[in-house]
Amino acid sequence: DADVTQTPRNRITKTGKRIMLECSQTKGHDRMYWYRQDPGLGLRLIYYSFDVKDINKGEISDGYSVSRQAQAKFSLSLESAIPNQTALYFCATSGGDRVTYNEQFFGPGTRLTVL
Amino acid sequence: GQSLEQPSEVTAVEGAIVQINCTYQTSGFYGLSWYQQHDGGAPTFLSYNALDGLEETGRFSSFLSRSDSYGYLLLQELQMKDSASYFCAVRDDKIIFGKGTRLHILP
Repeated sequence: DADVTQTPRNRITKTGKRIMLECSQTKGHDRMYWYRQDPGLGLRLIYYSFDVKDINKGEISDGYSVSRQAQAKFSLSLESAIPNQTALYFCATSGGDRVTYNEQFFGPGTRLTVL
Repeated sequence: GQSLEQPSEVTAVEGAIVQINCTYQTSGFYGLSWYQQHDGGAPTFLSYNALDGLEETGRFSSFLSRSDSYGYLLLQELQMKDSASYFCAVRDDKIIFGKGTRLHILP
């Protein structure tokens, strides 16, 4: 079984709809991240969480919100989806010590299309 | 502000050696990482350099010069399966990724 899973894997929705992307991990990591990937722009950090009670904004948090329901679960919400949020979304995890923090483990991605 | 610069594309021949450079400008710096991403796949971790010098892992090596804010990924004995995008990433209190370098390998 995959260590980091994302649901759904693909989603097509309409402008104005609320969308939730979910991420679960079995690696036992405290740190979880949400990124979006657009062609030619690399991976941009949306939100990150270092533990259940810690939520931090990344580079591009506007229009997004997150919830860390448990150590293993980190969900990303688009309250009112707009077309320029069409992208590939990745969840990632990492350990919390000086060494393991540097290696991130990514989920398979969710391809979101907003019409 | 924070920025990472890497070439958008690099082309090399199967069996050859290729170097992908990365320069960075960040407010804080703990180390430089490299990730590989095949088309349709998720990024996977390749290496991490916290200190100056060369780190070798099989056919892949990564180099860091903190004084020059510069690093590179060196791929040797290129194979067709190495065709992918490669991202450098800088760690300060979080990890910031570059825009990626698309590596094309010619037979």
